[in-house]
Amino acid sequence: EPEVTQTPSHQVTQMGQEVILRCVPISNHLYFYWYRQILGQKVEFLVSFYNNEISEKSEIFDDQFSVERPDGSNFTLKIRSTKLEDSAMYFCASSDGGARNQPQHFGDGTRLSIL
Amino acid sequence: GEDVEQSLFLSVREGDSSVINCTYTDSSSTYLYWYKQEPGAGLQLLTYIFSNMDMKQDQRLTVLLNKKDKHLSLRIADTQTGDSAIYFCASGGSQGNLIFGKGTKLSVKP
Repeated sequence: EPEVTQTPSHQVTQMGQEVILRCVPISNHLYFYWYRQILGQKVEFLVSFYNNEISEKSEIFDDQFSVERPDGSNFTLKIRSTKLEDSAMYFCASSDGGARNQPQHFGDGTRLSIL
Repeated sequence: GEDVEQSLFLSVREGDSSVINCTYTDSSSTYLYWYKQEPGAGLQLLTYIFSNMDMKQDQRLTVLLNKKDKHLSLRIADTQTGDSAIYFCASGGSQGNLIFGKGTKLSVKP
């Protein structure tokens, strides 16, 4: 069964550094998402991406965050100048359509630890 | 605002049925979902139900939806130790995102 893959599984970064989290969505999916889960808290929506542009974003997704689809298969989340509170599990997801139409399939996540 | 609530813990004996309950606020969601998260792993789509349905059965899993009360439940029949995990209820949000509950940690005792 096709799946969403994320790399790396664990990323440790010094505060203030930039980090790029990578995702390969399911190949025929058109909508891509990033979520994060701070330890002990709910999974929170960050951003959705369709047709090579951001379609929706939450208030968490401020100017330090950006997303990109650099080629036909990868979908990346960049965090500039990381802060301690960016430590979380980051999940990528993809779907055929928007959440109201098609289920979202998640990767195994990248655990980001900011020191 | 949009919210999903579920109880945090459930403990059952192996072989018993487990019922995990969830309430949500956004009644316009097309689908409602159950995701499973095993320790150190990602969110596995377990099952989902179309909002116009009352019930969906998939092998040991039964999903019940009471749209009037905005209540969703997941029943796992003949619960096994391998079912021990965190189960997340999710509804579709207004931004095309998913709104998750905090997750119910299911512990299965032999």
